[in-house]
Amino acid sequence: QVQLQESGPGLVKPSQTLSLTCTVSGGSISSDDYYWNWIRQPPGKGLEWIGYIYNSGTTYYNPSLKSRLTISIDTSKNQFSLKLGSVTAADTAVYYCARASRQWLRITWFDPWGQGTLVTVSS
Amino acid sequence: DIVMTQSPDSLAVSLGERATINCRSSQSVLYSSNNKNYLVWYQQKPGQPPKLLIYWASTRESGVPDRFSGSGSGTDFTLTISSLQAEDVAVYYCQQYYRTPYSFGQGTKVEIK
Repeated sequence: QVQLQESGPGLVKPSQTLSLTCTVSGGSISSDDYYWNWIRQPPGKGLEWIGYIYNSGTTYYNPSLKSRLTISIDTSKNQFSLKLGSVTAADTAVYYCARASRQWLRITWFDPWGQGTLVTVSS
Repeated sequence: DIVMTQSPDSLAVSLGERATINCRSSQSVLYSSNNKNYLVWYQQKPGQPPKLLIYWASTRESGVPDRFSGSGSGTDFTLTISSLQAEDVAVYYCQQYYRTPYSFGQGTKVEIK
């Protein structure tokens, strides 16, 4: 059974770069059958899709974050990562990584999800 | 972008009674090539990640109790809990995976009356 686990600093200063890694266990990140996603949720608020990466390195980012965002993949470590630059308090959120399967050459629903990690942007 | 709007924002239902949550998309999420609605429902309890309940708008995930059902097509969808149990207290989200950026409804909080 595939499991995902986020890791990274819980506190980031304004204007700096938020960096998180998602480690995948119980399955290969190199599979052609899945997209690997980041999703965030500000405290007490709803969910926002950040972006995905495919095993080839192909990415798609939410346009609202695209100018500050990089998602990368390390197949040798079975990990994918997120870097979000020039952060502000508005980037404070629980960050989730999640897998989505590929059907008819399109992405589907997010499952499973990691447990999430709270990142606070504050000086 | 496709905007997902849920109603109501919250509802309180007596144990054993029916709970109905609506979700409307600003554009159709029905893909004509396979006649599938690219719409999913999740359940989120405090301190937990969202849990998959229903995909393709009406297909129940394995292990999800049959009191949960999804219906609708195109732009209008419904999640129904036929007989509310205490463990169903949660926030429920719909989400479209038809087009990027993938988007979620604002969530509906279900409580016990």
